[in-house]
Amino acid sequence: KAGVTQTPRYLIKTRGQQVTLSCSPISGHRSVSWYQQTPGQGLQFLFEYFSETQRNKGNFPGRFSGRQFSNSRSEMNVSTLELGDSALYLCASSLSGTSGNTIYFGEGSWLTVV
Amino acid sequence: GENVEQHPSTLSVQEGDSAVIKCTYSDSASNYFPWYKQELGKGPQLIIDIRSNVGEKKDQRIAVTLNKTAKHFSLHITETQPEDSAVYFCAGGDVDGQNFVFGPGTRLSVLP
Repeated sequence: KAGVTQTPRYLIKTRGQQVTLSCSPISGHRSVSWYQQTPGQGLQFLFEYFSETQRNKGNFPGRFSGRQFSNSRSEMNVSTLELGDSALYLCASSLSGTSGNTIYFGEGSWLTVV
Repeated sequence: GENVEQHPSTLSVQEGDSAVIKCTYSDSASNYFPWYKQELGKGPQLIIDIRSNVGEKKDQRIAVTLNKTAKHFSLHITETQPEDSAVYFCAGGDVDGQNFVFGPGTRLSVLP
Protein backbone atom coordinates (compact mmCIF):
# COMPACT_ATOMS: atom_id res chain seq x y z
CA LYS A 1 0.00 0.00 0.00
CA ALA A 2 1.45 3.36 -0.98
CA GLY A 3 2.31 5.76 1.80
CA VAL A 4 1.54 9.43 2.15
CA THR A 5 2.82 11.27 -0.91
CA GLN A 6 3.79 14.91 -0.86
CA THR A 7 4.71 17.13 -3.76
CA PRO A 8 6.86 18.94 -4.47
CA ARG A 9 9.69 17.63 -2.29
CA TYR A 10 11.80 20.76 -2.59
CA LEU A 11 11.04 24.30 -3.61
CA ILE A 12 12.48 27.76 -3.36
CA LYS A 13 10.27 30.84 -3.28
CA THR A 14 10.81 34.55 -2.92
CA ARG A 15 9.42 36.66 -0.09
CA GLY A 16 5.95 37.87 -0.90
CA GLN A 17 5.11 34.98 -3.20
CA GLN A 18 2.64 32.26 -2.42
CA VAL A 19 3.07 28.50 -2.47
CA THR A 20 0.79 25.49 -2.72
CA LEU A 21 1.80 22.09 -1.41
CA SER A 22 0.01 18.88 -2.21
CA CYS A 23 -0.63 15.73 -0.21
CA SER A 24 -2.12 12.39 -1.20
CA PRO A 25 -3.04 10.34 1.87
CA ILE A 26 -2.82 6.59 2.24
CA SER A 27 -5.66 4.93 0.36
CA GLY A 28 -8.73 4.77 2.55
CA HIS A 29 -7.54 7.44 4.98
CA ARG A 30 -9.96 10.31 5.35
CA SER A 31 -8.14 12.54 7.79
CA VAL A 32 -5.25 14.69 6.64
CA SER A 33 -3.26 16.95 8.91
CA TRP A 34 -0.41 19.33 8.24
CA TYR A 35 2.59 20.16 10.39
CA GLN A 36 5.41 22.64 10.12
CA GLN A 37 8.84 21.51 11.26
CA THR A 38 11.66 23.93 11.97
CA PRO A 39 14.86 23.52 13.99
CA GLY A 40 13.78 26.18 16.45
CA GLN A 41 10.09 25.37 16.94
CA GLY A 42 10.01 21.63 16.32
CA LEU A 43 6.86 20.02 14.96
CA GLN A 44 3.89 22.35 15.07
CA PHE A 45 0.35 21.48 14.09
CA LEU A 46 -1.16 23.60 11.34
CA PHE A 47 -4.61 22.12 10.67
CA GLU A 48 -6.52 18.94 10.11
CA TYR A 49 -9.13 18.08 7.50
CA PHE A 50 -11.72 15.36 7.54
CA SER A 51 -14.35 14.84 4.86
CA GLU A 52 -13.40 18.12 3.16
CA THR A 53 -13.93 20.12 6.37
CA GLN A 54 -11.32 21.74 8.54
CA ARG A 55 -11.82 20.13 11.91
CA ASN A 56 -8.88 21.41 13.93
CA LYS A 57 -6.58 24.37 13.57
CA GLY A 58 -3.31 25.31 15.19
CA ASN A 59 -1.98 28.73 16.05
CA PHE A 60 -0.81 29.95 12.68
CA PRO A 61 -1.74 33.20 10.92
CA GLY A 62 -4.40 33.33 8.26
CA ARG A 63 -1.71 33.28 5.55
CA PHE A 64 -1.68 29.53 6.08
CA SER A 65 -4.70 27.81 4.64
CA GLY A 66 -5.68 24.44 3.34
CA ARG A 67 -8.38 22.40 1.77
CA GLN A 68 -9.34 18.82 1.19
CA PHE A 69 -10.94 17.34 -1.87
CA SER A 70 -13.57 14.64 -2.13
CA ASN A 71 -10.88 12.01 -2.79
CA SER A 72 -9.21 13.02 0.52
CA ARG A 73 -6.25 14.62 -1.22
CA SER A 74 -5.26 17.85 0.44
CA GLU A 75 -3.45 21.05 -0.40
CA MET A 76 -2.05 23.72 1.82
CA ASN A 77 -1.31 27.25 0.71
CA VAL A 78 0.89 29.90 2.22
CA SER A 79 0.42 33.42 0.92
CA THR A 80 2.72 36.43 1.21
CA LEU A 81 5.69 34.25 2.13
CA GLU A 82 8.08 35.41 4.83
CA LEU A 83 11.64 34.26 5.48
CA GLY A 84 10.43 32.57 8.66
CA ASP A 85 8.16 30.30 6.64
CA SER A 86 11.20 28.34 5.53
CA ALA A 87 10.57 24.89 6.94
CA LEU A 88 9.77 21.27 6.27
CA TYR A 89 6.02 20.93 5.79
CA LEU A 90 4.74 17.51 6.71
CA CYS A 91 1.44 15.97 5.80
CA ALA A 92 0.03 13.09 7.80
CA SER A 93 -3.00 10.90 7.25
CA SER A 94 -5.09 8.57 9.35
CA LEU A 95 -8.21 6.52 8.92
CA SER A 96 -10.72 8.72 10.65
CA GLY A 97 -8.84 11.15 12.78
CA THR A 98 -10.35 10.02 16.06
CA SER A 99 -8.19 9.85 19.11
CA GLY A 100 -5.86 6.93 19.02
CA ASN A 101 -5.86 6.61 15.27
CA THR A 102 -2.32 6.15 14.08
CA ILE A 103 -1.11 9.00 11.93
CA TYR A 104 1.36 8.33 9.15
CA PHE A 105 3.64 11.05 7.84
CA GLY A 106 4.83 11.75 4.36
CA GLU A 107 8.42 12.64 3.53
CA GLY A 108 7.61 16.33 3.59
CA SER A 109 8.05 19.34 1.35
CA TRP A 110 11.13 21.42 1.98
CA LEU A 111 10.30 25.09 1.47
CA THR A 112 13.02 27.71 1.35
CA VAL A 113 12.00 31.36 1.23
CA VAL A 114 14.69 33.76 0.02
CA GLY B 1 -3.85 23.26 25.85
CA GLU B 2 -1.46 20.37 25.89
CA ASN B 3 2.23 20.88 26.48
CA VAL B 4 4.75 18.09 26.01
CA GLU B 5 8.28 18.25 27.33
CA GLN B 6 10.99 15.81 26.34
CA HIS B 7 14.40 14.98 27.81
CA PRO B 8 17.20 14.71 27.05
CA SER B 9 17.60 16.78 23.90
CA THR B 10 20.64 14.73 22.89
CA LEU B 11 21.70 11.27 23.94
CA SER B 12 24.78 9.26 23.03
CA VAL B 13 25.08 5.59 23.90
CA GLN B 14 27.44 2.80 23.02
CA GLU B 15 26.17 0.13 20.67
CA GLY B 16 24.49 -2.59 22.69
CA ASP B 17 23.58 -0.32 25.60
CA SER B 18 20.06 0.84 26.43
CA ALA B 19 18.60 4.27 25.75
CA VAL B 20 15.77 5.94 27.63
CA ILE B 21 13.90 9.06 26.56
CA LYS B 22 11.36 10.68 28.87
CA CYS B 23 8.37 12.89 28.18
CA THR B 24 5.88 14.69 30.36
CA TYR B 25 2.51 16.05 29.37
CA SER B 26 0.21 18.57 30.94
CA ASP B 27 -3.31 17.74 29.76
CA SER B 28 -4.87 14.92 31.74
CA ALA B 29 -7.43 14.51 28.92
CA SER B 30 -4.76 13.21 26.55
CA ASN B 31 -5.18 9.51 26.11
CA TYR B 32 -2.88 8.52 23.27
CA PHE B 33 0.90 8.79 23.18
CA PRO B 34 2.80 7.86 20.03
CA TRP B 35 6.55 7.86 19.48
CA TYR B 36 8.10 8.73 16.15
CA LYS B 37 11.57 8.22 14.72
CA GLN B 38 12.84 10.66 12.14
CA GLU B 39 15.90 9.91 10.10
CA LEU B 40 17.75 12.59 8.21
CA GLY B 41 15.79 13.86 5.23
CA LYS B 42 12.74 11.74 5.97
CA GLY B 43 9.36 12.19 7.58
CA PRO B 44 8.68 10.89 11.10
CA GLN B 45 7.81 7.21 11.31
CA LEU B 46 5.66 5.74 14.05
CA ILE B 47 7.65 3.20 16.05
CA ILE B 48 5.35 2.50 18.98
CA ASP B 49 2.32 3.99 20.71
CA ILE B 50 0.45 3.57 23.94
CA ARG B 51 -3.05 4.38 25.12
CA SER B 52 -3.90 5.66 28.55
CA ASN B 53 -5.60 2.42 29.60
CA VAL B 54 -2.29 0.57 29.32
CA GLY B 55 0.78 0.99 31.51
CA GLU B 56 3.37 -0.61 29.29
CA LYS B 57 3.78 -1.86 25.74
CA LYS B 58 6.66 -3.68 24.15
CA ASP B 59 7.68 -4.41 20.57
CA GLN B 60 10.94 -6.33 20.26
CA ARG B 61 13.72 -3.99 21.42
CA ILE B 62 11.40 -1.05 21.97
CA ALA B 63 9.11 -0.48 24.92
CA VAL B 64 7.04 2.42 26.19
CA THR B 65 5.81 2.96 29.74
CA LEU B 66 3.10 5.35 30.87
CA ASN B 67 2.44 6.80 34.30
CA LYS B 68 -0.91 8.58 34.12
CA THR B 69 -0.74 9.84 37.67
CA ALA B 70 2.58 11.54 37.13
CA LYS B 71 1.73 12.39 33.51
CA HIS B 72 4.90 11.05 32.06
CA PHE B 73 5.82 8.37 29.58
CA SER B 74 9.14 6.96 28.46
CA LEU B 75 10.66 5.21 25.48
CA HIS B 76 13.12 2.41 26.17
CA ILE B 77 15.38 0.99 23.47
CA THR B 78 17.46 -2.02 24.43
CA GLU B 79 20.49 -3.47 22.64
CA THR B 80 20.89 -0.30 20.60
CA GLN B 81 22.30 -0.50 17.09
CA PRO B 82 23.83 2.19 14.85
CA GLU B 83 20.64 2.25 12.76
CA ASP B 84 18.74 3.43 15.84
CA SER B 85 20.55 6.76 15.46
CA ALA B 86 17.87 9.34 14.64
CA VAL B 87 15.71 12.03 16.20
CA TYR B 88 12.89 10.66 18.34
CA PHE B 89 9.69 12.58 19.05
CA CYS B 90 7.05 11.85 21.63
CA ALA B 91 3.53 13.25 21.30
CA GLY B 92 0.38 13.63 23.35
CA GLY B 93 -3.03 13.04 21.79
CA ASP B 94 -6.11 15.21 22.10
CA VAL B 95 -9.36 13.29 22.53
CA ASP B 96 -11.04 15.04 19.63
CA GLY B 97 -8.70 14.83 16.73
CA GLN B 98 -5.30 14.78 15.22
CA ASN B 99 -3.73 17.92 16.62
CA PHE B 100 -1.12 16.05 18.52
CA VAL B 101 1.38 18.12 20.46
CA PHE B 102 4.92 16.93 19.89
CA GLY B 103 7.87 17.11 22.20
CA PRO B 104 10.94 18.98 20.94
CA GLY B 105 12.76 15.78 20.03
CA THR B 106 15.78 13.80 21.20
CA ARG B 107 18.74 13.25 18.95
CA LEU B 108 20.01 9.75 19.68
CA SER B 109 23.47 8.75 18.55
CA VAL B 110 24.52 5.13 18.86
CA LEU B 111 28.29 4.89 18.78
CA PRO B 112 29.84 1.74 17.29
